[in-house]
Amino acid sequence: GAVVSQHPSWVICKSGTSVKIECRSLDFQATTMFWYRQFPKQSLMLMATSNEGSKATYEQGVEKDKFLINHASLTLSTLTVTSAHPEDSSFYICSAGTVVTGYTFGSGTRLTVV
Amino acid sequence: DAKTTQPTSMDCAEGRAANLPCNHSTISGNEYVYWYRQIHSQGPQYIIHGLKNNETNEMASLIITEDRKSSTLILPHATLRDTAVYYCIVRAPTGANSKLTFGKGITLSVRP
Repeated sequence: GAVVSQHPSWVICKSGTSVKIECRSLDFQATTMFWYRQFPKQSLMLMATSNEGSKATYEQGVEKDKFLINHASLTLSTLTVTSAHPEDSSFYICSAGTVVTGYTFGSGTRLTVV
Repeated sequence: DAKTTQPTSMDCAEGRAANLPCNHSTISGNEYVYWYRQIHSQGPQYIIHGLKNNETNEMASLIITEDRKSSTLILPHATLRDTAVYYCIVRAPTGANSKLTFGKGITLSVRP
């Protein structure tokens, strides 16, 4: 089945620094990838839709200059949290797939900003 | 806005069937019903999906009412490892409604 690898699984960074999270589709080509954020005891919130070769589409209220998304190939999308602050601490999850194969989720990245 | 409503929580005994309901009264003709589950601190796991016919796989069965306004996910023999948050999602195959939008889900607790 479709496998999505997300890296790193957890990261701790200092306030003001930037963090990059990678999402890879290992055995299929993903034209579309989604990025979610999940705070404790809450549901997943869609942040943006990443389309290979074009700009990402951000959901309302998500700052595109703070959460930079790059989908340069059919197997890799990256989310960079720029100038991270403690309130950005969260569980970030990516999802990849196609209309035909459906969507598979990565294992998530727990970001802690100190 | 989530297009589905689910109870907040339910529990069942290990070895018994777990029936998880979901209402999606505003579902459109081209929208599928998807079920995912999330075990604590992990990414969501796909369970099953269907359009209008009942579906079964190695994990579960999906029963969709004839009017498609509600569905039930059935875990035939629940185990402790099935304790998780289960999300019912409606999604179109293409277009603006093809995004997977999560509601609050239902927390299933399987007791020994």
